Amino acid sequence: GQNIDQPTEMTATEGAIVQINCTYQTSGFNGLFWYQQHAGEAPTFLSYNVLDGLEEKGRFSSFLSRSKGYSYLLLKELQMKDSASYLCAVGDNAGNMLTFGGGTRLMVKP
Amino acid sequence: NAGVMQNPRHLVRRRGQEARLRCSPMKGHSHVYWYRQLPEEGLKFMVYLQKENIIDESGMPKERFSAEFPKEGPSILRIQQVVRGDSAAYFCASSQGTGLEEQYFGPGTRLTVT
Repeated sequence: GQNIDQPTEMTATEGAIVQINCTYQTSGFNGLFWYQQHAGEAPTFLSYNVLDGLEEKGRFSSFLSRSKGYSYLLLKELQMKDSASYLCAVGDNAGNMLTFGGGTRLMVKP
Repeated sequence: NAGVMQNPRHLVRRRGQEARLRCSPMKGHSHVYWYRQLPEEGLKFMVYLQKENIIDESGMPKERFSAEFPKEGPSILRIQQVVRGDSAAYFCASSQGTGLEEQYFGPGTRLTVT
């Protein structure tokens, strides 16, 4: 089966750092993806991890531990515009689909 | 370079009618994926198509739903005899190759069944 868990909601302060965790148990694995989705809009790609370790891209970083079935997305120097849902997804072995978690709604407060 | 285009953006149908959702992939992309997002839920994979071929439809409901991606024209997701539970946002994504990291999402079609 496929099971991807992430917190439903988080709140953080502008300028701070926030870490959004994701744990997964899937029958296959072909990469761990993070997407950002503003309300009523399309998901936009943030990061992709296929090997263990940290991938840094500007204010956003993503970490993967395949042995633990665990990933996190780290957002630094939070801005109000970072208020959005953050979706964790796992690619299947065949490369045919992404399996998404329920998403974490992040609210950034002044 | 235009992104993935979907139309209509909003669609209202009465129970029992047919809904037809269109997706035009990014230029040069020949792989199309359809996902459904129910209110307050995550995205759920429905179907993966390449030109004129359905590659994986493991996420499609067995009845009333069908998808195609013809040689010419957009990909179509068709829902026959819609029911209230079909109300959702339907997102299309496209990629140039089979690499999942290359998927780009369209703005979605929000279907409301009354």
